[in-house]
Amino acid sequence: AQKITQTQPGMFVQEKEAVTLDCTYDTSDQSYGLFWYKQPSSGEMIFLIYQGSYDEQNATEGRYSLNFQKARKSANLVISASQLGDSAMYFCAMRELYSGAGSYQLTFGKGTKLSVIP
Amino acid sequence: GAGVSQSPRYKVTKRGQDVALRCDPISGHVSLYWYRQALGQGPEFLTYFNYEAQQDKSGLPNDRFSAERPEGSISTLTIQRTEQRDSAMYRCASSLGLAGRTNTGELFFGEGSRLTVL
Repeated sequence: AQKITQTQPGMFVQEKEAVTLDCTYDTSDQSYGLFWYKQPSSGEMIFLIYQGSYDEQNATEGRYSLNFQKARKSANLVISASQLGDSAMYFCAMRELYSGAGSYQLTFGKGTKLSVIP
Repeated sequence: GAGVSQSPRYKVTKRGQDVALRCDPISGHVSLYWYRQALGQGPEFLTYFNYEAQQDKSGLPNDRFSAERPEGSISTLTIQRTEQRDSAMYRCASSLGLAGRTNTGELFFGEGSRLTVL
């Protein structure tokens, strides 16, 4: 079974500073994908970034980057130059890939609430 | 449509009543997922479909919960004999690719249906 752990219930960051949101995962699968989603107070779920287990380079999308450390089973999200609009819940998630017998559900962590201080 | 559409957005019902929640995925998306999200928690997997076939229903809490997607497009999640513990946000998501086959399958979420059971 897959499990996602986000140990930081809440985080504060000063505007324009960088912040790292932690995510560790547990899986026996060889091929998997890791996702980060943002959920603002409006409730929508916004996809931010994806990392495949076989990707050699860390994924980047604008101000978002994923610090993927496979041996440690961690997939931390780094947000550079924080903006007030980054205040939201952030969810780490994972799913199995390419297995004929597996399920392809996306398993989510409990989330981290990020607050950006002006 | 442009995005995943869910209805009703809000549903208040009395304990013991049946409810049906509808999801209209993004046109052309072959995979459709149902999640439940309690306040302050991450989304919890319920079930998913590839086309009209229900591939995994392991997350459905009990036999009061069922889902269908008869024509491979619109899906309905039905909760029979609702109980207060069923109160939550129910989210639908769709992805373009066949889960586990073609691509990483980023999930696009709808705005959710908030169910309150009195």
